[in-house]
Amino acid sequence: EAQVTQNPRYLITVTGKKLTVTCSQNMNHEYMSWYRQDPGLGLRQIYYSMNVEVTDKGDVPEGYKVSRKEKRNFPLILESPSPNQTSLYFCASSSGEVSYEQYFGPGTRLTVT
Amino acid sequence: KQEVTQIPAALSVPEGENLVLNCSFTDSAIYNLQWFRQDPGKGLTSLLLIQSSQREQTSGRLNASLDKSSGRSTLYIAASQPGDSATYLCAVLMIKAAGNKLTFGGGTRVLVKP
Repeated sequence: EAQVTQNPRYLITVTGKKLTVTCSQNMNHEYMSWYRQDPGLGLRQIYYSMNVEVTDKGDVPEGYKVSRKEKRNFPLILESPSPNQTSLYFCASSSGEVSYEQYFGPGTRLTVT
Repeated sequence: KQEVTQIPAALSVPEGENLVLNCSFTDSAIYNLQWFRQDPGKGLTSLLLIQSSQREQTSGRLNASLDKSSGRSTLYIAASQPGDSATYLCAVLMIKAAGNKLTFGGGTRVLVKP
């Protein structure tokens, strides 16, 4: 089944404790991206990537890092999480052909205390 | 900078009525526009995708139109049902050097009353 998976789905952590949210897709998509969703602010892009080793900042990249060492994986790294990074995070992927239709993962709910 | 607006923010209709959801964007240089549905606390389900060269797309009771020159898209849902209650999001895609740039509207929260 074609899908985008994220882990963990739920995470409660403390300020300053480094964490990684993994994202993996099995559709051989070139494009991957990360979003956060907050009440009243909607969905905002954090980082995106065209292919292995090619990444760029989205609208809200501060406090986040990404890497794209393999085509299927695009982890989101929070080096020193803060409470304002409490949010619902989504990973997405799309092919580089014709439609560029976006496929979203199920989301990761992160709480930083 | 691309900005996407969805009006109204919330909508309540009786079952059976047709739904009309609006999406507007400021930069017409889009590659495509995609409509999503999101249930509370859940992920995004893709409903329809319209390429910039297309005027409309249809799937079952759903029909989406696109007027790129005026920066508008409309999602029509015919004969609404309580199961259509959800938040509907539109998103426009722009292609940049390092990858996709997808910008979302704030969404329209729909309640269909039995």
